[in-house]
Amino acid sequence: GAGVSQSPSNKVTEKGKDVELRCDPISGHTALYWYRQSLGQGLEFLIYFQGNSAPDKSGLPSDRFSAERTGGSVSTLTIQRTQQEDSAVYLCASSLVGEQPQHFGDGTRLSIL
Amino acid sequence: LAKTTQPISMDSYEGQEVNITCSHNNIATNDYITWYQQFPSQGPRFIIQGYKTKVTNEVASLFIPADRKSSTLSLPRVSLSDTAVYYCLVGVGYNNNDMRFGAGTRLTVKP
Repeated sequence: GAGVSQSPSNKVTEKGKDVELRCDPISGHTALYWYRQSLGQGLEFLIYFQGNSAPDKSGLPSDRFSAERTGGSVSTLTIQRTQQEDSAVYLCASSLVGEQPQHFGDGTRLSIL
Repeated sequence: LAKTTQPISMDSYEGQEVNITCSHNNIATNDYITWYQQFPSQGPRFIIQGYKTKVTNEVASLFIPADRKSSTLSLPRVSLSDTAVYYCLVGVGYNNNDMRFGAGTRLTVKP
């Protein structure tokens, strides 16, 4: 079956621009996670959506970062006024409620010039 | 917060058994232990999950002592293609505040 899909796979943009990253979770998965992974580093938790509950935004590094999940399915991570330190791979994962494992997409590689 | 600690890196040779241990001293009663594998330019991939004692599947075994303060991922007879980063994650899906990945263990398998 279809896995988690992320788009674009690569994004290059200039400092100061806004970017939107998209995640299509596995159908039926109510939990959705965003992570950030800098080169050679582990995964940094950003935000978590669970059904219709208020998202856990505790991992967002600044107010330039926001995320939405429409209709309990597709999610968009938005980074406003990008900075060079935002360069990283942004990974999305989904899972069934209350369970692991998480199923990951292959990420969006974001490069800020 | 169920923080995990793993060795940063390990080396092995083809055909050997590899054991990677993860420490999680603050594991909660309802937490599960899950291991993921990540290759370059890919998202992490689920390997195995357990709660206590021993779990085995077609690719690995997971050993969890009675106090559950650590766990050991065992990879039998590794091959070059097992070179990857391995992450230990402790938590449950609905207790989202505990969903934190550690830095992972970079396993290098040599010929």
